[in-house]
Amino acid sequence: DTGVSQDPRHKITKRGQNVTFRCDPISEHNRLYWYRQTLGQGPEFLTYFQNEAQLEKSRLLSDRFSAERPKGSFSTLEIQRTEQGDSAMYLCASSPTGRGNQPQHFGDGTRLSIL
Amino acid sequence: AQTVTQSQPEMSVQEAETVTLSCTYDTSESDYYLFWYKQPPSRQMILVIRQEAYKQQNATENRFSVNFQKAAKSFSLKISDSQLGDAAMYFCAYRSGDFGNEKLTFGTGTRLTIIP
Repeated sequence: DTGVSQDPRHKITKRGQNVTFRCDPISEHNRLYWYRQTLGQGPEFLTYFQNEAQLEKSRLLSDRFSAERPKGSFSTLEIQRTEQGDSAMYLCASSPTGRGNQPQHFGDGTRLSIL
Repeated sequence: AQTVTQSQPEMSVQEAETVTLSCTYDTSESDYYLFWYKQPPSRQMILVIRQEAYKQQNATENRFSVNFQKAAKSFSLKISDSQLGDAAMYFCAYRSGDFGNEKLTFGTGTRLTIIP
């Protein structure tokens, strides 16, 4: 179990630029989740995948955000035309399919800073 | 929509003592799951303990235990024999029992400091 891996750990960019983050889940997990965490807050759900299918998207996921999981393995989260308010920690998690008590395993996160 | 409330932004405890972190939640569902996650500084979030709503028995994991009061919608975490490594942000989280409703709803967290 190598854990959930996220890349990069930290991204600094200018407002208006596009950024893309990658998440590699635990290999046998077919569910993958993205959350956003701002300073002093708990993580907020953005979206989740069951294999390659994106099954739920939060209203927080505006048109500038897109997530993919093309082969049901790794996932990417892209933010277009970044804004100051996008500065946050973006967390990825994965879990196996099963009962709801299956815990989600989190990665270290990607911290996005918008200049 | 479900909400999770953690009313203690910060707590501190002497090493080797016991501390209880509070969590309340609001839901109209009868089937759900509750979790406590720990997030050490600059490190990944890890599961501490979980509780199924249909189980009356409180969950325990070594020094960690919960007091689950379903009627009161309360889910507190007790840490016994506190250790320096317990210092972290602690988040309470809720997950619906509906299949396909996979998201976790988190509280705002409690920062726990351990005093040597």
